[in-house]
Amino acid sequence: SAVISQKPSRDICQRGTSLTIQCQVDSQVTMMFWYRQQPGQSLTLIATANQGSEATYESGFVIDKFPISRPNLTFSTLTVSNMSPEDSSIYLCSVAVLGLADPSYEQYFGPGTRLTVT
Amino acid sequence: SQQGEEDPQALSIQEGENATMNCSYKTSINNLQWYRQNSGRGLVHLILIRSNEREKHSGRLRVTLDTSKKSSSLLITASRAADTASYFCATHPYGNKLVFGAGTILRVKS
Repeated sequence: SAVISQKPSRDICQRGTSLTIQCQVDSQVTMMFWYRQQPGQSLTLIATANQGSEATYESGFVIDKFPISRPNLTFSTLTVSNMSPEDSSIYLCSVAVLGLADPSYEQYFGPGTRLTVT
Repeated sequence: SQQGEEDPQALSIQEGENATMNCSYKTSINNLQWYRQNSGRGLVHLILIRSNEREKHSGRLRVTLDTSKKSSSLLITASRAADTASYFCATHPYGNKLVFGAGTILRVKS
């Protein structure tokens, strides 16, 4: 398994500003992901954070709005830029840990960052 | 887009009763994982079941997988008030990323 921490745990921000969320893992992991969970909804994958290269974004998410950094195998940041009330969500960092016996991997999540945009 | 569909959407039971949640999906998968989320916090990984497995146990949890019907179920036995949470299934299609279902909200009344 992996222990994941996120900072901040919550924040209230004004529209038009940006917030950077940090994700720290207690061990080196190859795959890191960022998810968004809008109020009352399930999780949606924003992007895969690639170490040493640009993140891979899912359909509907763009780098200008959600720039991601991954400087090493234990740390990543997600910035929510030029925020609007529609960005109010929980943002979750996640890592995948490969199983020893086969290609299946378990995916673990951080505690999330609850963002409210006013 | 979500692959998993879960039912029921919400479930309310008395403490001590069993709770069963179901998950259906559309494409072939490598594995299926169940998660718990308490009150808008992070997700806790409960169990992973591989496509070649039919049943798996962990404490009071029992997960089944029927790949012919593309469905899975999560059974929580002897439920406790602390089991009150949202439960999500997530499928891992071959070569693709984890895809989450809509979730089931479980309320256990004491």
